[in-house]
Amino acid sequence: KAGVTQTPRYLIKTRGQQVTLSCSPISGHRSVSWYQQTPGQGLQFLFEYFSETQRNKGNFPGRFSGRQFSNSRSEMNVSTLELGDSALYLCASSQVPLLAGNTDTQYFGPGTRLTVL
Amino acid sequence: KNEVEQSPQNLTAQEGEFITINCSYSVGISALHWLQQHPGGGIVSLFMLSSGKKKHGRLIATINIQEKHSSLHITASHPRDSAVYICAVTGGGADGLTFGKGTHLIIQP
Repeated sequence: KAGVTQTPRYLIKTRGQQVTLSCSPISGHRSVSWYQQTPGQGLQFLFEYFSETQRNKGNFPGRFSGRQFSNSRSEMNVSTLELGDSALYLCASSQVPLLAGNTDTQYFGPGTRLTVL
Repeated sequence: KNEVEQSPQNLTAQEGEFITINCSYSVGISALHWLQQHPGGGIVSLFMLSSGKKKHGRLIATINIQEKHSSLHITASHPRDSAVYICAVTGGGADGLTFGKGTHLIIQP
């Protein structure tokens, strides 16, 4: 069974631009979560989608948005990029959502490394 | 908001040593995850615990719900265990996962 895939793997953008990252979950997984990892803040939860609906959202500005398609593939978009958005963006998939009481294993993708100049 | 603290931040040990990494959290949770991240960024989920103890090969994870504390143990450590180990929790009033800062482990041959 293929793992979680993310495209592109590397991306360089300039301030003010916008970017779209893609995540394809493991076949049969309907939950996709997105995370940002920076040297200063470590890993932080961005949002989670399940069955095309955003179920949870972390403490990030509205410039960060996402969506999920009927085939469970997910995209996240960052508009008006800032230097501080430079990070490794990871997605993870699971069969059930990260709700209280659910203890499903998450499978992570390799990440997209975004550099904002 | 749940605060997740890991210790130690950095750990260097010799091959074969028994390794313990600790994680504590401030608010009750529904589950605790131990993750392993190798250089290059790939993350692997090692364990997910809501109570008790789990073992997988040379790795053992325990959780004490009353004390809000979990430990990850590595027996007979090997240089390939060198990685960053991250503790994360779900529940406790926060959405998604709340992460610790990670423990950078180096096992020297």
